[in-house]
Amino acid sequence: AQSVTQLGSHVSVSEGALVLLRCNYSSSVPPYLFWYVQYPNQGLQLLLKYTSAATLVKGINGFEAEFKKSETSFHLTKPSAHMSDAAEYFCAVSSGGYQKVTFGTGTKLQVIP
Amino acid sequence: EAGVAQSPRYKIIEKRQSVAFWCNPISGHATLYWYQQILGQGPKLLIQFQNNGVVDDSQLPKDRFSAERLKGVDSTLKIQPAKLEDSAVYLCASSSETGRGHGYTFGSGTRLTVV
Repeated sequence: AQSVTQLGSHVSVSEGALVLLRCNYSSSVPPYLFWYVQYPNQGLQLLLKYTSAATLVKGINGFEAEFKKSETSFHLTKPSAHMSDAAEYFCAVSSGGYQKVTFGTGTKLQVIP
Repeated sequence: EAGVAQSPRYKIIEKRQSVAFWCNPISGHATLYWYQQILGQGPKLLIQFQNNGVVDDSQLPKDRFSAERLKGVDSTLKIQPAKLEDSAVYLCASSSETGRGHGYTFGSGTRLTVV
């Protein structure tokens, strides 16, 4: 079985501050891991993915995530938050065939001016 | 390239009525998914197609939900009869690869409200 746990359903940061969104995964085989972003009334957009190559993955919009096997974590970070980063972020894991992907419950990021 | 198209964007129906959603994936994408996203939750996979065959429908409530993907392109998802708890956003996604580790492209979704 596979699952992801996102710590914190809501996160608030000041504009220009560090963004840290936490994700821990569970998988019986080496996982593939993803972060998606969802803006209001839109579908999900892939931010970045880990596919067993480099453990530090860089994505779009200045986001990056680090795969830490010992901690079973894949936290999403961005050095400096912009107002346009306000959205909901979903961590996801795939460990089965045919790309079966399980999503977390999401973290809403609020950016305060 | 054109994205994943879904229609309608919004639908309001009364309980026990039927409803259908349509999805047109990115051209050439063999894999198509339907997800249900209830407010405050992450997307939950309902059904996965590989071309026009079903790969996974283990979480599809088959007594009321059905889906088809004729000719391996467009897909429709139907609910009959609808229940209040079916109120959610229904997301369609497609992918060009069959292996693990490939991200999806999502459509904008259909927001269903059952009253």
